[in-house]
Amino acid sequence: GQNIDQPTEMTATEGAIVQINCTYQTSGFNGLFWYQQHAGEAPTFLSYNVLDGLEEKGRFSSFLSRSKGYSYLLLKELQMKDSASYLCAPMDSNYQLIWGAGTKLIIKP
Amino acid sequence: GAVVSQHPSRVICKSGTSVKIECRSLDFQATTMFWYRQFPKKSLMLMATSNEGSKATYEQGVEKDKFLINHASLTLSTLTVTSAHPEDSSFYICSANPGQGDTDTQYFGPGTRLTVL
Repeated sequence: GQNIDQPTEMTATEGAIVQINCTYQTSGFNGLFWYQQHAGEAPTFLSYNVLDGLEEKGRFSSFLSRSKGYSYLLLKELQMKDSASYLCAPMDSNYQLIWGAGTKLIIKP
Repeated sequence: GAVVSQHPSRVICKSGTSVKIECRSLDFQATTMFWYRQFPKKSLMLMATSNEGSKATYEQGVEKDKFLINHASLTLSTLTVTSAHPEDSSFYICSANPGQGDTDTQYFGPGTRLTVL
């Protein structure tokens, strides 16, 4: 079957670094998305990885290992506004998104 | 966890035809469902909020006569793309909110890829 695992909730301190892990099992693979979602708002695209390795975009980086079915989102220099849910969503062979339940990130001063 | 399904997963149609996409919450009742559109490697664009038993609320710039939404029951919302054109080709995603104290959580469907020839 298809399955996504990511932690339900994480807490971090303002200015610190946090890594949100995601493991997945899908029928085929056509890349993996990370989204940020603030309560009551639509998800915002953060990254898309289709090849192995690390992609850096400002304070956010995303890593993918296809052989391990593993990805992580790295957030640096955390700010209070980074408090949100982070959704991991790989795309299967039919180009359908398989959604994780999301990780609620709480940033404390 | 809660499951949301969409049907069909993929559809190819000719320009000028209408296409209906279904969104179902399989194990919970959803008073509110949301319809999104996604372009490649872009954020999800909220199109409309669908409320059971009442008219959908459309976001600015979304044509309500072109994208018809019907939330007929607490487990089903449909999006009909009328007189589809190639520029309507996109990935359409729905999400459902159980409400009842779980208002912050949305459960997403797998998406429907629409290709208009």
